[in-house]
Amino acid sequence: SQTIHQWPATLVQPVGSPLSLECTVEGTSNPNLYWYRQAAGRGLQLLFYSVGIGQISSEVPQNLSASRPQDRQFILSSKKLLLSDSGFYLCAWRGTGLHYGYTFGSGTRLTVV
Amino acid sequence: AQKITQTQPGMFVQEKEAVTLDCTYDTSDPSYGLFWYKQPSSGEMIFLIYQGSYDQQNATEGRYSLNFQKARKSANLVISASQLGDSAMYFCAMREKGGSYIPTFGRGTSLIVHP
Repeated sequence: SQTIHQWPATLVQPVGSPLSLECTVEGTSNPNLYWYRQAAGRGLQLLFYSVGIGQISSEVPQNLSASRPQDRQFILSSKKLLLSDSGFYLCAWRGTGLHYGYTFGSGTRLTVV
Repeated sequence: AQKITQTQPGMFVQEKEAVTLDCTYDTSDPSYGLFWYKQPSSGEMIFLIYQGSYDQQNATEGRYSLNFQKARKSANLVISASQLGDSAMYFCAMREKGGSYIPTFGRGTSLIVHP
């Protein structure tokens, strides 16, 4: 079966520290992968998406970056966190077939202090 | 302009009653898909239902149905026989063929089911 793993679940980081969030997908190959951020009480904002290894598209210019070193691995990074980076980060992949929904990981709640 | 509009920030419903959550969308792409997701307090996003722009019938999944009115660009979610566990945030989303199938989400509606 197809599953998506995201970690860590919770993270408290000081301003200026680096960040690395990891997302992996099992049971599928060459998935379309997405990173979303959800601010408190808000909708989902698309940060990055990837259609293949090494292929990253950025939707929102900021101090975050993403990488896809392997087919089923998607990493969100920052060299220096800002207070405004706090939020709930969700990784997602698009299922195969037109009618398949997007499956989300369990999310990472990031608090920058 | 917002592609997905959810005008109800919060909704309340009595247990066992039906509730409709509104969603309107904006697109000029003839090929698109509409989704509804549920987000309980734990944060996970749970896929509920999908409607394709060419689908002739309204989608249904158990207690969930999607009232698709294409001319009005409306895709309301109907939850029948509400349960306490339905209390959550609900997000409407759309993906367009011309938009590389990347889903765009609305701001969500908070649903609270009262016993």
